[in-house]
Amino acid sequence: AQTVTQSQPEMSVQEAETVTLSCTYDTSENNYYLFWYKQPPSRQMILVIRQEAYKQQNATENRFSVNFQKAAKSFSLKISDSQLGDTAMYFCAFITSGTYKYIFGTGTRLKVLA
Amino acid sequence: NAGVTQTPKFQVLKTGQSMTLQCAQDMNHEYMSWYRQDPGMGLRLIHYSVGAGITDQGEVPNGYNVSRSTTEDFPLRLLSAAPSQTSVYFCASSYSAGPTYFGPGTRLTVT
Repeated sequence: AQTVTQSQPEMSVQEAETVTLSCTYDTSENNYYLFWYKQPPSRQMILVIRQEAYKQQNATENRFSVNFQKAAKSFSLKISDSQLGDTAMYFCAFITSGTYKYIFGTGTRLKVLA
Repeated sequence: NAGVTQTPKFQVLKTGQSMTLQCAQDMNHEYMSWYRQDPGMGLRLIHYSVGAGITDQGEVPNGYNVSRSTTEDFPLRLLSAAPSQTSVYFCASSYSAGPTYFGPGTRLTVT
């Protein structure tokens, strides 16, 4: 069975500092995609970053970057220069290529402190 | 584009009542899906559709029905609501290899 594990239920970080959220996954597939979604109090699911498994280069989007370790099945999210607006639940998710069926982790609640 | 829209935003049902959660997208996406989100858990797939007339079950399909008569609409039906179906429901759509767009969610309470 495919699973996604987020071992940090809650984290906090001071504004302007850097924080890393952990995610591990388990699959026997070779072609898949990994995602980080942000869910603020509004409940809207917002795509933060996406990584194709066949790409060795880690994805980056402005202040957000990932550390993708395919052999270790690890996919952590680094948020640099944290801002108050980054306060949200963050979900790691996985899709096998061609299936469109997401498997989500249980989420990490991140609080950015002023 | 309106993206993915869901109605209603909030709903309270009594046990045994039926209702339909509406989902629509105007992006001509072939793939649509329904997820539920419970406290302490990530989103779990209920049903999905890869095109008009084609639906299939996800991880937690029991108690829910879906149909896909058009590309745009993908309603989720609760035939006899149970307290265990109290949750937040998200509809999502995407096209092949593209990003997934989520609706704003429906908070359902079954008493």
